[in-house]
Amino acid sequence: QSVLTQPPSASGTPGQRVTISCSGSSSNIGSNYVYWYQQLPGTAPKLLIYGNNQRPSGVPDRFSGSKSGTSASLAISGLRSEDEADYYCAAWDDSLSGVVFGGGTKLTVL
Amino acid sequence: EVQLVESGGGLVKPGGSLRLSCAASGFTLSSYSMNWVRQAPGKGLEWVSSISSSSSYIYYADSVKGRFTISRDNAKNSLYLEMNSLRAEDTAVYYCARSDTALVTGADMHHWGQGTLVTVSS
Repeated sequence: QSVLTQPPSASGTPGQRVTISCSGSSSNIGSNYVYWYQQLPGTAPKLLIYGNNQRPSGVPDRFSGSKSGTSASLAISGLRSEDEADYYCAAWDDSLSGVVFGGGTKLTVL
Repeated sequence: EVQLVESGGGLVKPGGSLRLSCAASGFTLSSYSMNWVRQAPGKGLEWVSSISSSSSYIYYADSVKGRFTISRDNAKNSLYLEMNSLRAEDTAVYYCARSDTALVTGADMHHWGQGTLVTVSS
């Protein structure tokens, strides 16, 4: 059971906009930055969003992050087949004094 | 270019020990905090441990506390994870990841290695 809650799966067709939610609590998302990671099949995770809504250089602006209270969301617009991957949210947890990850969301591009 | 290369994984019996290494290049290791994250086969990501740039601050997941030890040698551009009393549930790919700050300030992992597989089985 992960500390951060994500839907196990999401799907969309090419060109669509999809969102992935991440629910936490006051000790993690509510008081710390949220990060999003993309893991393509058979590869290492890659940072997609940091500081709730900042994109590292090289990440397309089709990817955006937001946070409100103890929840966060990742939005992907103009969905492409290469976006098919597992997506994880993460945050520092003040109560646990450690990093907590969501269980991951498997995105399927239909 | 930032590069992180993990090594030291392999097959070990329950109760055994293993030392993982992460060789860093393309940046000055002493300027950044570092992390270990693992992923059991077919499962999600699990944070293991983080260490600040000067080793002053160290954090562990409850699942490994007392059994695993994170350390670093900035002069050798290397990060380590000493794993003792290994259990079947420690079987996973272990990734090292670099943060973008010297202190451990969050779930900040800007760069990742390719991982090394640790299998705990008799």
